[in-house]
Amino acid sequence: GDSVTQMEGPVTLSEEAFLTINCTYTATGYPSLFWYVQYPGEGLQLLLKATKADDKGSNKGFEATYRKETTSFHLEKGSVQVSDSAVYFCALFDTDKLIFGTGTRLQVFP
Amino acid sequence: EAEVAQSPRYKITEKSQAVAFWCDPISGHATLYWYRQILGQGPELLVQFQDESVVDDSQLPKDRFSAERLKGVDSTLKIQPAELGDSAMYLCASSLGDRGTEAFFGQGTRLTVV
Repeated sequence: GDSVTQMEGPVTLSEEAFLTINCTYTATGYPSLFWYVQYPGEGLQLLLKATKADDKGSNKGFEATYRKETTSFHLEKGSVQVSDSAVYFCALFDTDKLIFGTGTRLQVFP
Repeated sequence: EAEVAQSPRYKITEKSQAVAFWCDPISGHATLYWYRQILGQGPELLVQFQDESVVDDSQLPKDRFSAERLKGVDSTLKIQPAELGDSAMYLCASSLGDRGTEAFFGQGTRLTVV
C-alpha cells in the first residue's frame, strides 16, 4: 500500500543553518505531495504542496521538489529561525487517501 | 478565514466512560477525516467521510468507536467505553476532496483517559 517515510529526528540546528528533512514515498498512482507543520499543542498546518512531477512547492522560505524518479519530496530551507522549531510531516494524497509520515522534530537554537 | 472547528479542546475522562468529540468542517468541504495522533507519532486515519457516507473506516476500532456525519456537514466521533490507550490527540480535517487540494485541520481535541 501507499506509504511515506521520513528521516527520524530530532534535527537540531543553530539559527541561520541550512535545513534538509528527507521524505520518500511509495504510491501506486500519481499522488499529490504535501508538507505540514505542527506547533506544540496545535493541529497541522499546510506548509507547501506539489501536485505533479518536477513541481516545486514553496512557502515562508521552505521549498520541496516533487522527484518522481527518486520518489522523494525533501524539505529544505536556506536559513532556519528559532520560530521554525516544530514537527514537520510529509504526506501524500493518492486516489482518495491522505497518508502521513511519522514526523520529524526540528529544534533550532539561537 | 474559514477554519475547521473542533470541541472540546481538552477532555479528561475516566476509563470505561463515554466521550464524544465534535467537528465542524469548512463550508463546502465534502471530505471529512478523523485522525488519531499519539504523542510523538504521525496522524493515523480513523475514518473518512465523503458527504454523509463513510469511505474508509478500516482502522476504526468498531467495538468501541463510532462516527457519524448525518447531514454531510458536521461530525461526531464517540468512544465508549474509553480505555487508557485511547489517550491521544484527535484531529479532524476537511477538504474539497480533489486530488490536488489540501486538507485543513482543526486544532484537535487532547484526550486523557485516567
